Amino acid sequence: DVKVTQSSRYLVKRTGEKVFLECVQDMDHENMFWYRQDPGLGLRLIYFSYDVKMKEKGDIPEGYSVSREKKERFSLILESASTNQTSMYLCASSLARYNSPLHFGNGTRLTVT
Amino acid sequence: TQLLEQSPQFLSIQEGENLTVYCNSSSVFSSLQWYRQEPGEGPVLLVTVVTGGEVKKLKRLTFQFGDARKDSSLHITAAQPGDTGLYLCAGRGTGGFKTIFGAGTRLFVKA
Repeated sequence: DVKVTQSSRYLVKRTGEKVFLECVQDMDHENMFWYRQDPGLGLRLIYFSYDVKMKEKGDIPEGYSVSREKKERFSLILESASTNQTSMYLCASSLARYNSPLHFGNGTRLTVT
Repeated sequence: TQLLEQSPQFLSIQEGENLTVYCNSSSVFSSLQWYRQEPGEGPVLLVTVVTGGEVKKLKRLTFQFGDARKDSSLHITAAQPGDTGLYLCAGRGTGGFKTIFGAGTRLFVKA
């Protein structure tokens, strides 16, 4: 069974702090994704990666960066957290096949005060 | 930017009723997936449809992909309280692995 693990379930950070969200998958998936989920807006893609050290911007990359130094780990970085980045963050992984499903972690609820 | 419009956003029905959720776009997708999400968890895949006109059944759930691969529907027959949750459609474009999601339909089935 695929397991996608997000390091924190809940995080509270202050405005201006640098925030790291970590995600690890154990099934050797090539693709990894970061989404944020907000009520009424669904899941919006921030960044995704299809290989180590490779990344592509999603639909809302502003204010975020990512790092993928190892195949199993994909980190989301908020360089200077702002209150409008308060959200649920979901990490997912998938095989590099066009109809492969996404396997999600349980999410990190980030509050920026 | 590809968009997926999902309707209705919220549905509250009695146990035993039927319902349909719609997912529409002006874009063509290589595949479309339906996920279900429960509180405190990530979305979990229900089905993938890849061929225009395809119909898939999963017990009381019927999924259909439009002929032009721009829209999809999820029909639930005789809904049960255990069907309560957030249903999300997700489309993958023809050019890569980017997957976009609809806003979701929150279903509540009352016993």
